[in-house]
Amino acid sequence: DVKVTQSSRYLVKRTGEKVFLECVQDMDHENMFWYRQDPGLGLRLIYFSYDVKMKEKGDIPEGYSVSREKKERFSLILESASTNQTSMYLCASSSKDRAGANVLTFGAGSRLTVL
Amino acid sequence: GQNIDQPTEMTATEGAIVQINCTYQTSGFNGLFWYQQHAGEAPTFLSYNVLDGLEEKGRFSSFLSRSKGYSYLLLKELQMKDSASYLCAALDSNYQLIWGAGTKLIIKP
Repeated sequence: DVKVTQSSRYLVKRTGEKVFLECVQDMDHENMFWYRQDPGLGLRLIYFSYDVKMKEKGDIPEGYSVSREKKERFSLILESASTNQTSMYLCASSSKDRAGANVLTFGAGSRLTVL
Repeated sequence: GQNIDQPTEMTATEGAIVQINCTYQTSGFNGLFWYQQHAGEAPTFLSYNVLDGLEEKGRFSSFLSRSKGYSYLLLKELQMKDSASYLCAALDSNYQLIWGAGTKLIIKP
């Protein structure tokens, strides 16, 4: 059973703390993504990566950074957490399917609360 | 701008049929996805349409009209386990996904 595993399901952090969200996939996918999901909004792309050590900004990269040192692992870093970063964070991976249309496999999510 | 619209919430009865609509406006178009997300769980892929018409997969079907910027997901013979949010997402000319806010489907016995 293929999987995207997010190491922490629930985290509570204080304003200003550095936060690491880890994501590992076992499907040998090239592409990995970090989204945040908030009520009443569509998924918003934070960062994505098409290969090891490569990263691209998504729609809302401010306040976040990422690291992809190994193909299977994509980490999201909040350098100094703020209350407006309280959200559900979803990691996803994909490989090319049907002429560029990538089917995403998601992790179960990490719910972060910043106090 | 780019935009996806879908109803916020729908209610249907077990055993019935429900249609969840999605309209999109994107810069270019390379297909439309539907994902299912149960509460507290990962979204899972349901369907992908790039050509006009209806694609059927068991109890679930997905329809696309490119000229109208419109898609729907049709769920037949509803079961309680179909209670979930259904996410519509369009692929734009840069192969970036534009997501709708999701439709929460409530199934009543």
